[in-house]
Amino acid sequence: RKEVEQDPGPFNVPEGATVAFNCTYSNSASQSFFWYRQDCRKEPKLLMSVYSSGNEDGRFTAQLNRASQYISLLIRDSKLSDSATYLCVVNPNTGFQKLVFGTGTRLLVSP
Amino acid sequence: DGGITQSPKYLFRKEGQNVTLSCEQNLNHDAMYWYRQDPGQGLRLIYYSQIVNDFQKGDIAEGYSVSREKKESFPLTVTSAQKNPTAFYLCASLAGGGFNEQFFGPGTRLTVL
Repeated sequence: RKEVEQDPGPFNVPEGATVAFNCTYSNSASQSFFWYRQDCRKEPKLLMSVYSSGNEDGRFTAQLNRASQYISLLIRDSKLSDSATYLCVVNPNTGFQKLVFGTGTRLLVSP
Repeated sequence: DGGITQSPKYLFRKEGQNVTLSCEQNLNHDAMYWYRQDPGQGLRLIYYSQIVNDFQKGDIAEGYSVSREKKESFPLTVTSAQKNPTAFYLCASLAGGGFNEQFFGPGTRLTVL
């Protein structure tokens, strides 16, 4: 089983739609969770950190479910500019600040 | 502005040549990391350094070498021993002190001909 698993997509949605991605992680001791956004041929950029029960930032909401070992990202009112690959990232708490990256979920928002 | 710089952006080398990728940060971060990204794959950790003059192998260190002589700099050398060096290389840094977010440089796209 991979340490971090994501549906690669692509998720094709129209502008204004609400879309949600899930990500599962295998290490129950994991402490920190993040969503990064990566545009084509660019570096990943931090979108949100996910702590304890989750958090919200504008149109973006991240949730953590420790019992089922998954995190989710909800995007409301999708914009064309939201088209990107969303990386689920986990700190497995292995003794140093190592992050494990999922392969990403691709989102395409169309007019 | 604080940030991480990587150079060059694109690099072409002949098979069998060593090549060094530059990574510099002025964020005063202690920890620095090198990742490799291949199409359709997640980022894979090559080397990391938690403090100056110390570094550790990541998951795919074979064929790579690093140094950390200064806090600001963490260059990566791709040696001829690396079997498949063509990839997108990303450098990252992390502040520490309870902050676990990593911040990335713009990357170097290496193509070995």
